[in-house]
Amino acid sequence: AQSVTQLGSHVSVSEGALVLLRCNYSSSVPPYLFWYVQYPNQGLQLLLKYTSAATLVKGINGFEAEFKKSETSFHLTKPSAHMSDAAEYFCAVSGSGLNGGSQGNLIFGKGTKLSVKP
Amino acid sequence: NAGVMQNPRHLVRRRGQEARLRCSPMKGHSHVYWYRQLPEEGLKFMVYLQKENIIDESGMPKERFSAEFPKEGPSILRIQQVVRGDSAAYFCASSPLGDTQYFGPGTRLTVL
Repeated sequence: AQSVTQLGSHVSVSEGALVLLRCNYSSSVPPYLFWYVQYPNQGLQLLLKYTSAATLVKGINGFEAEFKKSETSFHLTKPSAHMSDAAEYFCAVSGSGLNGGSQGNLIFGKGTKLSVKP
Repeated sequence: NAGVMQNPRHLVRRRGQEARLRCSPMKGHSHVYWYRQLPEEGLKFMVYLQKENIIDESGMPKERFSAEFPKEGPSILRIQQVVRGDSAAYFCASSPLGDTQYFGPGTRLTVL
């Protein structure tokens, strides 16, 4: 069975500081991994996804994540936080399908709320 | 290309009433997923549909909940005889090939 653990339900950083949001996964098949961001009262926006092409994945808004199979991790980072990054971030995993793509439903972590202090 | 559309954005129902949530996928997307988000929790998968077929409903409660994605028109998530515990945000996602999912803005259901 697949699962996702996000360490830290709340993370607070100062503007300009490094952002590090942690995600560990469990999967019995080669995983597809995703990070989504949710602003208050809105839907989820895809930040980036890992599909086995490259271990370091660059996403939108300056975010990136590194897939580390040995650590079963997919942590999200951004070198310099901006006030507009304040939101809730979700890590998700899905299994790989027969056609090589991801399949079926996403398994989400419980989310990490990021606060950015001026 | 318009994104995933959901309506209504907010829905208030009294206990025992029916709730109908609609989802129009992105153009060209034939895969639809429904998720539920309870306060302080992540999203939980409910059901995965392709046109006219339910592919995976392993996350759907056994009673009162149903979903469809007809050949024409939006996907519908239907909740009969709503109870207070059904209050949540319901999100729809679509994908073109069953891979990357793009989410709608959600419907926030409040049961009085």
